[in-house]
Amino acid sequence: KNQVEQSPQSLIILEGKNCTLQCNYTVSPFSNLRWYKQDTGRGPVSLTIMTFSENTKSNGRYTATLDADTKQSSLHITASQLSDSASYICVVSVRGYSTLTFGKGTMLLVSP
Amino acid sequence: DAGVIQSPRHEVTEMGQEVTLRCKPISGHNSLFWYRQTMMRGLELLIYFNNNVPIDDSGMPEDRFSAKMPNASFSTLKIQPSEPRDSAVYFCASSLTSLEAFSYNEQFFGPGTRLTVL
Repeated sequence: KNQVEQSPQSLIILEGKNCTLQCNYTVSPFSNLRWYKQDTGRGPVSLTIMTFSENTKSNGRYTATLDADTKQSSLHITASQLSDSASYICVVSVRGYSTLTFGKGTMLLVSP
Repeated sequence: DAGVIQSPRHEVTEMGQEVTLRCKPISGHNSLFWYRQTMMRGLELLIYFNNNVPIDDSGMPEDRFSAKMPNASFSTLKIQPSEPRDSAVYFCASSLTSLEAFSYNEQFFGPGTRLTVL
């Protein structure tokens, strides 16, 4: 069964600190992996998308890594800001299919 | 572009009533997706359309749920009759895709409709 597991479930960090969110998946055959940011009361917004041939991709202070061999991804946030407080969702797609498999997200709170 | 537009943003109704959620995708996009999000289950795909045709509705929970896309700029998700367990946030998303490269294209989400069934 295709699954995406994220850890931790929630995280509190101080403004200015770095943090790393984890994503493990069992989706096969793998096509691509996306990280979405979802602010409270809003729809998810794409941060990065990586295919199996990419092992890192950055979007400003967000850097995603992918290890297709171990089926793990991480999202690193550098110099966190209050506006980074949100839910971060890992999403994996299966090659040849249109549907996406979603993780349940990590709720990040950046505290002043 | 205004992005994906959903209405209403909030809906409170009583059990047994019919609920209709509406979505206007981004102009030029040819795929539309309906999702449901709850704390327990996260985001779940209910149904998606490609070129106005339903491709996969295996995520629709039961016959009480139905979705239509009469044209490229409008879709509805209907629940009849509604039940308290249908309470969730319902998202519509759209993308520009072809079936060959379906799994790669980025989906743009609307702001969601928060449904509460009493």
